[in-house]
Amino acid sequence: DAGITQSPRHKVTETGTPVTLRCHQTENHRYMYWYRQDPGHGLRLIHYSYGVKDTDKGEVSDGYSVSRSKTEDFLLTLESATSSQTSVYFCAISDRGANEKLFFGSGTQLSVL
Amino acid sequence: SQQGEEDPQALSIQEGENATMNCSYKTSINNLQWYRQNSGRGLVHLILIRSNEREKHSGRLRVTLDTSKKSSSLLITASRAADTASYFCATDSGNTPLVFGKGTRLSVIA
Repeated sequence: DAGITQSPRHKVTETGTPVTLRCHQTENHRYMYWYRQDPGHGLRLIHYSYGVKDTDKGEVSDGYSVSRSKTEDFLLTLESATSSQTSVYFCAISDRGANEKLFFGSGTQLSVL
Repeated sequence: SQQGEEDPQALSIQEGENATMNCSYKTSINNLQWYRQNSGRGLVHLILIRSNEREKHSGRLRVTLDTSKKSSSLLITASRAADTASYFCATDSGNTPLVFGKGTRLSVIA
């Protein structure tokens, strides 16, 4: 998956607990994205980053925060997980934003009980 | 909300037949991309077509774009069982990240 590693691959947690998902890339790409995928909704953008410490909100950002302190790492944090955040989370990267193709990680399956 | 909407939602064909999937979108775009997702995996880029292009080919894939109708189609010729996957269109409207549709599930029966 083009030098993208998501961790963990699977996680089960309880409502109200904080959760951090990590995306690590070895491609030195400028743009990084977090999407969530749910049945009937396709992929929806949560947050994205266009450089170190430069981030912006996506369509479904409520309840999520992100940080990018290094080019290679983009962290997604659920401050207090809710059952509605049960989903598959995908990280993606690109060198020139939406003007070219994205490379996706393998995904993190998160279950909030 | 989704910019692109794929049609049909699901498609089942026999091996060797052609598969056609359509994508409609609402606002002007810079480019439109198609991705494939095998079950349990991440999305894989297939093809990108820019707003000033009308048709593009890549192997057994043919993509058309009609900006006047705000629609695109993906044709897979001589389909194989390995083409079984979900297919997504994604649009770039400039200065915003890609927006994905809900996808078409393609089943190719051997």
